[in-house]
Amino acid sequence: GAVVSQHPSWVICKSGTSVKIECRSLDFQATTMFWYRQFPKQSLMLMATSNEGSKATYEQGVEKDKFLINHASLTLSTLTVTSAHPEDSSFYICSARAGQSSYEQYFGPGTRLTVT
Amino acid sequence: AQRVTQPEKLLSVFKGAPVELKCNYSYSGSPELFWYVQYSRQRLQLLLRHISRESIKGFTADLNKGETSFHLKKPFAQEEDSAMYYCALGRTGRRALTFGSGTRLQVQP
Repeated sequence: GAVVSQHPSWVICKSGTSVKIECRSLDFQATTMFWYRQFPKQSLMLMATSNEGSKATYEQGVEKDKFLINHASLTLSTLTVTSAHPEDSSFYICSARAGQSSYEQYFGPGTRLTVT
Repeated sequence: AQRVTQPEKLLSVFKGAPVELKCNYSYSGSPELFWYVQYSRQRLQLLLRHISRESIKGFTADLNKGETSFHLKKPFAQEEDSAMYYCALGRTGRRALTFGSGTRLQVQP
């Protein structure tokens, strides 16, 4: 079946530094990838939609200069949290979609970011 | 604006009891609705979608446009059904999903 991986699974960084999270579709080509943020005991909040070779579309209220998304290939999207602050600490989840007309998304295992 | 409401944070039932996880939505267009499940320490995975009208692991969900609901049901709960369940609404255009807040189902022996 369709598998999506994320790396790293958890990361601790200091305030002011940047951290990159990778999302890979392992056995299919993902025309679209999505990045979500999940706070403890809360739902997934869509941050942005990323299409291969084009700029990401950010949801309202999400700072595009802070959360840089790159979708350079059909199997890889990256989320870079720039100048991280403790309030950026969260669980970040990516998902990937194979076809343009499909809603079905395959989710990664998530990355836990802790900013100290 | 699209919205998905799951009114119950926690639903606790005994094994063999019927289960109904509620989901209501608001959307001006033609909705596409999904149920996702997250078992302990596992990633989110699709359980079922309304257009398939299928039964997965004994679960069914019927879209009721009049009541704008998409409740998830199972006649006899099993312990292995214990998980977090999310209702999601498909957003046209970018085909993104809007998730509800989730309901934790606990099936007690």
